[in-house]
Amino acid sequence: GENVEQHPSTLSVQEGDSAVIKCTYSDSASNYFPWYKQELGKRPQLIIDIRSNVGEKKDQRIAVTLNKTAKHFSLHITETQPEDSAVYFCAASNQNSGTYKYIFGTGTRLKVLA
Amino acid sequence: DVKVTQSSRYLVKRTGEKVFLECVQDMDHENMFWYRQDPGLGLRLIYFSYDVKMKEKGDIPEGYSVSREKKERFSLILESASTSQTSMYLCASSLAAQPQHFGDGTRLSIL
Repeated sequence: GENVEQHPSTLSVQEGDSAVIKCTYSDSASNYFPWYKQELGKRPQLIIDIRSNVGEKKDQRIAVTLNKTAKHFSLHITETQPEDSAVYFCAASNQNSGTYKYIFGTGTRLKVLA
Repeated sequence: DVKVTQSSRYLVKRTGEKVFLECVQDMDHENMFWYRQDPGLGLRLIYFSYDVKMKEKGDIPEGYSVSREKKERFSLILESASTSQTSMYLCASSLAAQPQHFGDGTRLSIL
């Protein structure tokens, strides 16, 4: 079935360094890719998303890149800060299916070391 | 701001009990979703609904059912709770192709 692979499962970086999280999806019909951040004990919250008609999107320190040919997308966080520490989830969705359901990756626990 | 409210943050039940988890959204979203979250497994879709009285199975529907009698409310039902259903349950809603918004989750323990 459809799935999304996410790597790494854990990532530790020094404050100020960059962090990269990678996801690969299997359904070539996927055309929407959101990223969620979940802080400890809190709900997942959308931090950035990208649709298949663009290759890159940036919002301040966060950027997402998409390679449709390779079915691969990545989250890039620059100048990391302690408050970036959280679990990050990628997801893929076929928005043309009419169901708008997501397939989530297994998550990456990011630790930013002060 | 979108508000997705789950009725309980923590719930403890016994094996064999029938368990109801409630989710309410206040933004007139037609799509609602139930996920369970387990360490190392991410968020897995149990059931979803795209309209009142409509429901579709997700990836792990076994042992669960759902009810959507009103647009704003989506209930997850564990017909006969088992210890394997101890987990964090997250509800989400969305408007058409807009992003999903999540509730705070219900941490359910089955003893």
